[in-house]
Amino acid sequence: DAGVIQSPRHEVTEMGQEVTLRCKPISGHDYLFWYRQTMMRGLELLIYFNNNVPIDDSGMPEDRFSAKMPNASFSTLKIQPSEPRDSAVYFCASSPGFRDHGLNYGYTFGSGTRLTVV
Amino acid sequence: GESVGLHLPTLSVQEGDNSIINCAYSNSASDYFIWYKQESGKGPQFIIDIRSNMDKRQGQRVTVLLNKTVKHLSLQIAATQPGDSAVYFCAENPYNTDKLIFGTGTRLQVFP
Repeated sequence: DAGVIQSPRHEVTEMGQEVTLRCKPISGHDYLFWYRQTMMRGLELLIYFNNNVPIDDSGMPEDRFSAKMPNASFSTLKIQPSEPRDSAVYFCASSPGFRDHGLNYGYTFGSGTRLTVV
Repeated sequence: GESVGLHLPTLSVQEGDNSIINCAYSNSASDYFIWYKQESGKGPQFIIDIRSNMDKRQGQRVTVLLNKTVKHLSLQIAATQPGDSAVYFCAENPYNTDKLIFGTGTRLQVFP
């Protein structure tokens, strides 16, 4: 398996522009998570999906952020309009779900998208 | 104004020594815990996990200890190697949820 695949790896955009980050989870994983990592706040959970349905979006900073999962193999995180304070590394992770399993079922993370808004 | 970033605690060890990284978790209802390793420019990587009905679990060169009484986790790395240099995060899974809450991390530096 190729693991969790994120694109692009790096994105530089101007303030006010729309940014779309993409994620392909591991096949067979029912859960998909979007995290943001900054020096100020560490790793923050933004939103997660179970079987393509958003379950908890309480971490989404504001209405400028939206996430979709149209099918089991693809998710997007969109920021419109982008602002300099959105600059961060955005990670996608997938999991088969660990509540009903034993051990060794932690998330698998992608390599992240480093977003810079100037 | 000046921004204040997270101050990552740093543990510096000599190659070959054992390392112990500590973590305090917040939710007494959490019943599953994971240690992750993050190298520069990469996503966090799963190391080892433990459930709340255990107090110790061993892997290859790593051991996780769980003390539920004081809500404390530790990661022990035996015979630390330069390749172990990274930021280590503990994460907790609150009971009856599917999400992981991450700690702030500890930077491990290994010197030859």
